[in-house]
Amino acid sequence: EAQVTQNPRYLITVTGKKLTVTCSQNMNHEYMSWYRQDPGLGLRQIYYSMNVEVTDKGDVPEGYKVSRKEKRNFPLILESPSPNQTSLYFCASSPHPLAGGGQTYEQYFGPGTRLTVT
Amino acid sequence: AQSVAQPEDQVNVAEGNPLTVKCTYSVSGNPYLFWYVQYPNRGLQFLLKYITGDNLVKGSYGFEAEFNKSQTSFHLKKPSALVSDSALYFCAVSPTEGQNFVFGPGTRLSVLP
Repeated sequence: EAQVTQNPRYLITVTGKKLTVTCSQNMNHEYMSWYRQDPGLGLRQIYYSMNVEVTDKGDVPEGYKVSRKEKRNFPLILESPSPNQTSLYFCASSPHPLAGGGQTYEQYFGPGTRLTVT
Repeated sequence: AQSVAQPEDQVNVAEGNPLTVKCTYSVSGNPYLFWYVQYPNRGLQFLLKYITGDNLVKGSYGFEAEFNKSQTSFHLKKPSALVSDSALYFCAVSPTEGQNFVFGPGTRLSVLP
């Protein structure tokens, strides 16, 4: 089954304790992205990656890191979490958006990770 | 900078009636526009997209959307609403060929039996 998986699905942690949220896709997609969802603000893009070893900042990258060492994985790292990073996080993937032919692909989303930082 | 507005936080409609969920956008260049739906405790699911061509785009579950360049709008529509359509709907825009995406704040649709 084609899917994007995230782990953990729920996480409660304390301020300053480093954490990693994993994201994996089995569709051989080049493009992967992380979003956070907050009430009234919709989804805001944190980081995205066009391919292995290629990452770029989205609209709200502060306090987050990512890496793309393998095509299928795109972990989100919070080096020193703070309460304002309490949110619902989504990972998404799609074929390469610049594949040509004027095509832009829809994204496939993971089930979400609900993070609470106290 | 690109932006997306969904002017209604909540839309209520009776089952069987037509529904419209509004979206307006601001982006430089040609917009690539998307609608996604989110059911409770689930990730977002793709409904439809506009890249180029016909202004009326048909998508999943009987939904369609109309692109209006002069009004910079991309409203989501369905001729006859179902209770199962109740969910949170997001409009999104990509200013280039999909490098980064901007989502609207979402509109909660409630279809009443």
